[in-house]
Amino acid sequence: DTGVSQDPRHKITKRGQNVTFRCDPISEHNRLYWYRQTLGQGPEFLTYFQNEAQLEKSRLLSDRFSAERPKGSFSTLEIQRTEQGDSAMYLCASSLTTEQYFGPGTRLTVT
Amino acid sequence: GIQVEQSPPDLILQEGANSTLRCNFSDSVNNLQWFHQNPWGQLINLFYIPSGTKQNGRLSATTVATERYSLLYISSSQTTDSGVYFCAVLGGTSYGKLTFGQGTILTVHP
Repeated sequence: DTGVSQDPRHKITKRGQNVTFRCDPISEHNRLYWYRQTLGQGPEFLTYFQNEAQLEKSRLLSDRFSAERPKGSFSTLEIQRTEQGDSAMYLCASSLTTEQYFGPGTRLTVT
Repeated sequence: GIQVEQSPPDLILQEGANSTLRCNFSDSVNNLQWFHQNPWGQLINLFYIPSGTKQNGRLSATTVATERYSLLYISSSQTTDSGVYFCAVLGGTSYGKLTFGQGTILTVHP
């Protein structure tokens, strides 16, 4: 049983560029979550999918952020027109019930 | 929304010492999890404990839901226990949003 995987693990981009991250949940987990963690803080919730339906979104998910889970399996998180304030660790989690399991994260640096 | 407070913010121990980390939350919860974040940023599941007491080796946890707090006990600490410990709760009105505390930074010296 493999855990949650995320790709890429690290991304450096210039301000104004678009970036896309991928998350593959634990197989058979129908729930998938995205969080963002900045230095010295706990992770903050961004959005939640049950199968392909996006059921909950944080106000942190501005218009520049979009998440999809088209077939109820993997998910993508896209950030358009990146800003320096977007630099953070982006964490994905999945669950079958309410206990969430996290992937290794994608560390984004916007220069 | 629900508030989560962890204490202490920092803890420094000698190897072999015991410690207690506390998590207070402001409302009823459907889920409470304790995590250890390693130096590479990976969140490791320690306990899923919305109520009651659980033990796993040198670690144990107790949640008293009616009084809105949880405790994580670490006995005979080892240097590998160093890192950040997070408490996270799923509030009663949410189906997916885990709200995290600010964490406790644990440093264990040999």
